[in-house]
Amino acid sequence: AQKVTQAQTEISVVEKEDVTLDCVYETRDTTYYLFWYKQPPSGELVFLIRRNSFDEQNEISGRYSWNFQKSTSSFNFTITASQVVDSAVYFCALSELSNSGYALNFGKGTSLLVTP
Amino acid sequence: DGGITQSPKYLFRKEGQNVTLSCEQNLNHDAMYWYRQDPGQGLRLIYYSQIVNDFQKGDIAEGYSVSREKKESFPLTVTSAQKNPTAFYLCASSGRADLTDTQYFGPGTRLTVL
Repeated sequence: AQKVTQAQTEISVVEKEDVTLDCVYETRDTTYYLFWYKQPPSGELVFLIRRNSFDEQNEISGRYSWNFQKSTSSFNFTITASQVVDSAVYFCALSELSNSGYALNFGKGTSLLVTP
Repeated sequence: DGGITQSPKYLFRKEGQNVTLSCEQNLNHDAMYWYRQDPGQGLRLIYYSQIVNDFQKGDIAEGYSVSREKKESFPLTVTSAQKNPTAFYLCASSGRADLTDTQYFGPGTRLTVL
């Protein structure tokens, strides 16, 4: 079963629009961590944020903001005033203990295209 | 600069050949990982290592092998037993292998079987 669901496969916006990328996760653990990574066309995954399950405060970093809601098991990512350089695939990931030990589960990613 | 390097960037292999992908880190991290990424898919864990001379199978270890003889190096061998090896391979490292730590990724190796 998919532990991290990113329902939006592709999103296309025009520069300066705001865009929200959805992430819904599934876990039975009370302690877990959530991550967002950016994968530009070059292929390397770039770490954006890490959030633990006990910290539900929203976070803002420049044009980026994250909304963590345990009640709906969601960890959504918003880009304000999008730019062409934001075009990339964005991955949400869940870190939890599994039967085989430590595991980092990735969603399938959302491809964001920002056009001028 | 500290970071993770992978080589080569592109690799072509004939069917039936083994091939080894390199991953080196100078971040002094204990844990290292190998992931496979297929088009339109997320990352799937192949192997990980928490410490030198120790490694564990991930979700899709069949057809792959690894070694961890040095802290900074974690090479991945794609063997002829891997039925569909064409993919993008990403190496990562973290300070330690637990759920709290952030994994940092290398630039990846794109493997194509001809």
